[in-house]
Amino acid sequence: QQQVKQSPQSLIVQKGGISIINCAYENTAFDYFPWYQQFPGKGPALLIAIRPDVSEKKEGRFTISFNKSAKQFSLHIMDSQPGDSATYFCAASYNDYKLSFGAGTTVTVRA
Amino acid sequence: NAGVTQTPKFRILKIGQSMTLQCTQDMNHNYMYWYRQDPGMGLKLIYYSVGAGITDKGEVPNGYNVSRSTTEDFPLRLELAAPSQTSVYFCASTLGGSGRYNEQFFGPGTRLTVL
Repeated sequence: QQQVKQSPQSLIVQKGGISIINCAYENTAFDYFPWYQQFPGKGPALLIAIRPDVSEKKEGRFTISFNKSAKQFSLHIMDSQPGDSATYFCAASYNDYKLSFGAGTTVTVRA
Repeated sequence: NAGVTQTPKFRILKIGQSMTLQCTQDMNHNYMYWYRQDPGMGLKLIYYSVGAGITDKGEVPNGYNVSRSTTEDFPLRLELAAPSQTSVYFCASTLGGSGRYNEQFFGPGTRLTVL
């Protein structure tokens, strides 16, 4: 049973557009929500992470929005670039260092 | 630092064979993990370790075994390989520590096919 539900499974966006990936969780004990980026043939790498005491975190063109009451969080990629084409995983943890991952979203940025 | 290294990169096994996937980290991390990645399924935790001599099961441990005799190494053993174990396997590590949120660093993966 997937503890973190992620959507969409894939998306295509034009260069310069906005990519939005959504995740939902049920376990209210989760207190750490990272996003990982994975390029083909590589291992995932941490992109950005948020804790539930803030509603938004921005790092460059990447923003996490967090809605604690709805138990949802999302990743926004602004001004999407071809180099952003990758698979993105949301995840959640409750401080024992075990991450529960979403199923992943493959983002394709068309030039 | 090399980070997290995994060997081999690719392997084809016959049903019933055994093998060990190697994982080494040089960051002096306490926590180490093994995941498998299947298309459309995300990453599933197989086993993890919080320090040398301590291991515990994750979500999908059946058919696998691990050991952690040193801080650096965390091998994953497959006994009696089955087609259902065809997957990409990732090892990861993190520093750990009470009250801290730690980035997991992943290796490049091992692509295993069981025929």
